[in-house]
Amino acid sequence: QKEVEQNSGPLSVPEGAIASLNCTYSDRGSQSFFWYRQYSGKSPELIMFIYSNGDKEDGRFTAQLNKASQYVSLLIRDSQPSDSATYLCAVAYGGYQKVTFGTGTKLQVIP
Amino acid sequence: GAVVSQHPSWVICKSGTSVKIECRSLDFQATTMFWYRQFPKQSLMLMATSNEGSKATYEQGVEKDKFLINHASLTLSTLTVTSAHPEDSSFYICSARETGVPYNEQFFGPGTRLTVL
Repeated sequence: QKEVEQNSGPLSVPEGAIASLNCTYSDRGSQSFFWYRQYSGKSPELIMFIYSNGDKEDGRFTAQLNKASQYVSLLIRDSQPSDSATYLCAVAYGGYQKVTFGTGTKLQVIP
Repeated sequence: GAVVSQHPSWVICKSGTSVKIECRSLDFQATTMFWYRQFPKQSLMLMATSNEGSKATYEQGVEKDKFLINHASLTLSTLTVTSAHPEDSSFYICSARETGVPYNEQFFGPGTRLTVL
């Protein structure tokens, strides 16, 4: 069973702060890692993907991957109230095309 | 960016009827599409993987005779919920993976909210 684990939250941060979202996965063969944002009642939208160890930055978002520790994180700088949503970590593995999703972390940015 | 559409966005039907949901990739070809179901306050649960020109692969516990999937072209997959019952009420979301993209990135449709009375 390939598992992806996230803290369900809610994670509350003040506006302008850095939000740090974490995710661990069980399969060492995992190849690609994704962060999706899902607003209530909407479908997920892709924020970032990462496949190499280290950091990947895109605007206010930074994804960090540590394959040795089987850990991937998402940092949101200068958090805005509009960032309030559930963030889903997803992991693709092996020769399959399937992606396993975590249960998501609910982020609340307080004005 | 890659756009995936779904139709209808919501549907209400009577128990025992069948409902068809369409998923289209609008600006790219998708050899593989995925169907998910999401109940309130839960994560996405993969139901099946839809492959163009071949039979869909269903996840354990998903009844293939109840959830019929057809992926007849590189841009269209359909999910038919047959003999729907109230417990089938859920948010159904499809996603598509662009052919030839190496990192399994998936783009999601806007979802279809099904309510079975």
